[in-house]
Amino acid sequence: SAVISQKPSRDICQRGTSLTIQCQVDSQVTMMFWYRQQPGQSLTLIATANQGSEATYESGFVIDKFPISRPNLTFSTLTVSNMSPEDSSIYLCSVEDLFRGVTRTQYFGPGTRLTVL
Amino acid sequence: TQLLEQSPQFLSIQEGENLTVYCNSSSVFSSLQWYRQEPGEGPVLLVTVVTGGEVKKLKRLTFQFGDARKDSSLHITAAQPGDTGLYLCAGARAGGTSYGKLTFGQGTILTVHP
Repeated sequence: SAVISQKPSRDICQRGTSLTIQCQVDSQVTMMFWYRQQPGQSLTLIATANQGSEATYESGFVIDKFPISRPNLTFSTLTVSNMSPEDSSIYLCSVEDLFRGVTRTQYFGPGTRLTVL
Repeated sequence: TQLLEQSPQFLSIQEGENLTVYCNSSSVFSSLQWYRQEPGEGPVLLVTVVTGGEVKKLKRLTFQFGDARKDSSLHITAAQPGDTGLYLCAGARAGGTSYGKLTFGQGTILTVHP
């Protein structure tokens, strides 16, 4: 399965600032996704990061707040813009890969824990 | 909108007990994933089930996909403290613009006491 790394692993930011989170995969993948997770809770899909075109956002998420880049098949960034305390969360990237060489499934990075003061 | 109802939300048991976690939906999924997540880490994939009625075993964990591919269960036999964590089910949506996207259940926080 793909090995995924994220930077930074955690950060504490002031309200009104922006943070860019990086996601790096050790192999080329077609599908990459960004999720948000409140501690101890489930995951909510923010957007699909499309290589060479604009990201596809889920309901409730907009490009101005969460701009996403996908310059190639191994890398993506998510920016959390004009942050407020409500943006405090864990942000996770995932990629679609094959499970046991056969079935498409998603693998997750270690996450970025963001605290906004 | 495809929803996955996961239950129970919290489970606190003693070492050696058995437990079952359920995920139910009124929608059909092309596949269903189970993940386990520990604090400070990303979800780790346990299994993917694809075929209706499929049963997969991973040591003391048994995963079942419903015949109609709308529900799934995770059964743990003789739970151990190392099983403690957040368990998440996630259904892969069917084709079209939703292809590849996952719908997650609410999660089950399992605590196994020694």
